[in-house]
Amino acid sequence: AQSVTQLDSQVPVFEEAPVELRCNYSSSVSVYLFWYVQYPNQGLQLLLKYLSGSTLVESINGFEAEFNKSQTSFHLRKPSVHISDTAEYFCAVSEWNRDDKIIFGKGTRLHILP
Amino acid sequence: DAGVIQSPRHEVTEMGQEVTLRCKPISGHDYLFWYRQTMMRGLELLIYFNNNVPIDDSGMPEDRFSAKMPNASFSTLKIQPSEPRDSAVYFCASSLSNYGYTFGSGTRLTVV
Repeated sequence: AQSVTQLDSQVPVFEEAPVELRCNYSSSVSVYLFWYVQYPNQGLQLLLKYLSGSTLVESINGFEAEFNKSQTSFHLRKPSVHISDTAEYFCAVSEWNRDDKIIFGKGTRLHILP
Repeated sequence: DAGVIQSPRHEVTEMGQEVTLRCKPISGHDYLFWYRQTMMRGLELLIYFNNNVPIDDSGMPEDRFSAKMPNASFSTLKIQPSEPRDSAVYFCASSLSNYGYTFGSGTRLTVV
């Protein structure tokens, strides 16, 4: 069965500094990968996803993630964070040609420091 | 599209009472999921449906919890009787095949 590990429960970073949120997964088959963001008191929103093709995927607000099959990783990066990026970020995985169940990591809380 | 719609947004109830949470998925989506989120346990999958049929309910914590999906546009999650440890935010999500979920805004349940 697939699983997701988010290595950091909290990441503090200064405004305008770069950030990387780490995600590793395990699966015996090919996977789809996702990052979701949850702003305070809201539901989860899909930030970006990797289904196939280019291993580098981008979101509309400057985040990007790169699928690395050999390292089974899907780390999320942003070159310069803004206070509005304060949120909890969830990495998730689902398996090809299986039922649609997506497994979520435990989340990483991003704190933007002024 | 209005997205996934959950009601109520907030529910406060007394221990022992029945609680019903409701969800309207996005039209055309064939999967529906119920999640529970707490500080201690994070995001837990309770049950999910495909084409209105329950596929996996192994995450439902106890017999006090039940879920139904009578048609493609409506699902309920019921807790009877409710207990204080059921206090959490309950999310509904829907999807079309394997391309990512759309979540509702959640129902914050407080059992006193």
